[in-house]
Amino acid sequence: EVQLVESGGGLVQPGGSLRLSCSVSGLNFNDYWMTWVRQAPGRGLEWVANIKQDGSHTYYVDSVKGRFTISRDNAKNSLYLQMNSLRVEDTALYYCARVRGRAYFDFWGRGTLVTVSS
Amino acid sequence: QSVLTQPPSVSGAPRQRVTISCSGSRSNIGNNGVSWYQQLPGKTPKLLIYYNDQLPSGVSDRFSGSKSGTSASLAISGLQSEDEADFFCAAWDDSLNGVVFGGGTKLTVL
Repeated sequence: EVQLVESGGGLVQPGGSLRLSCSVSGLNFNDYWMTWVRQAPGRGLEWVANIKQDGSHTYYVDSVKGRFTISRDNAKNSLYLQMNSLRVEDTALYYCARVRGRAYFDFWGRGTLVTVSS
Repeated sequence: QSVLTQPPSVSGAPRQRVTISCSGSRSNIGNNGVSWYQQLPGKTPKLLIYYNDQLPSGVSDRFSGSKSGTSASLAISGLQSEDEADFFCAAWDDSLNGVVFGGGTKLTVL
């Protein structure tokens, strides 16, 4: 059974940092691009970042470029999102998911909630 | 404002057929495959359609997708109350070098 489990969310002040983790099991993690997608409360889905199998290529939505860093540790079957200079508008449920065909996501975690507030 | 445009809501009676549109541009839908996701209330998004019209294993064939030019559509036939959910379209965007989502459409089964 494929499982993706996010962790690391919480309450942080504007300007602060958080590191999200996604632990993956049930698939050959090394073989796939991975992604982070977020959903603000009561809003739609927003893609955040993609990372290639070996971590050599990454893509980001413009609003997080220079502040967020996606990374992975294939030995630990884990995906990460380092979030710095957090803003109120980054408040959202953050999902990790497996990428297929560059742009569709077939397995999702349940998400971890990030709240940025003073 | 989302890059892909969806109607905020659609509705239909049980056993009817409804369609949800997704409008984009050449850089996204025009040049790339479209995927669709269903998000039941309080749940994680679920892949419904990929590469415009392909159904993942386990997805009901009451769902179907199509694409023409810079627009795509999701059709749901034989509506059931359990289909009530939010639906999102998505595609890669060559200009933005990333994935873009539609704003989402809320389906109500009357």
